[in-house]
Amino acid sequence: DAGVIQSPRHEVTEMGQEVTLRCKPISGHDYLFWYRQTMMRGLELLIYFNNNVPIDDSGMPEDRFSAKMPNASFSTLKIQPSEPRDSAVYFCASSLGPLNTEAFFGQGTRLTVV
Amino acid sequence: AQTVTQSQPEMSVQEAETVTLSCTYDTSENNYYLFWYKQPPSRQMILVIRQEAYKQQNATENRFSVNFQKAAKSFSLKISDSQLGDTAMYFCASFNTDKLIFGTGTRLQVFP
Repeated sequence: DAGVIQSPRHEVTEMGQEVTLRCKPISGHDYLFWYRQTMMRGLELLIYFNNNVPIDDSGMPEDRFSAKMPNASFSTLKIQPSEPRDSAVYFCASSLGPLNTEAFFGQGTRLTVV
Repeated sequence: AQTVTQSQPEMSVQEAETVTLSCTYDTSENNYYLFWYKQPPSRQMILVIRQEAYKQQNATENRFSVNFQKAAKSFSLKISDSQLGDTAMYFCASFNTDKLIFGTGTRLQVFP
């Protein structure tokens, strides 16, 4: 398996535009996590899915953020409209189960909103 | 609420020396897992070591070992014989009730 794949690696967009980040988890992993990393706040859990179902989205900062997982091999994180304070690195991670395995991370998407 | 605290924003160590990174956590669960992840400048998150809360024995992976004090909810990482390649951000994380929560990280610089 190629690991968790995120696209794009880098995204630069203008304030007000819609941004969509994509993630392909490792095949067979039941859990998928979206994190945001900033210098000020470190790694924040935004939302996670179990078997494609959103379980906890309490970390999603605002209604401008939404995430979907239409099938076991694909998830998106959308920001609409984007703002400069959304600039961060967004990570997707997947794991086999809730407790007994490590989470495997993608290489992240560096988002810059100007 | 589940929290993970790393009180050392930055640490430095000379090559071949030993360094210990601190982590405390808070959870109401009895069964959980603790992790240390490394994030080098490449940005990739790499698992360093994992500890199961119900195991008394401290986990060890080559030069990396932990000091797990369950009653104190403490989970420190010891790096022995530090190498230049150990320079990275180190994150402590707690995994229980389905969530993987990270601390704010410790930036470790290894000097020659």
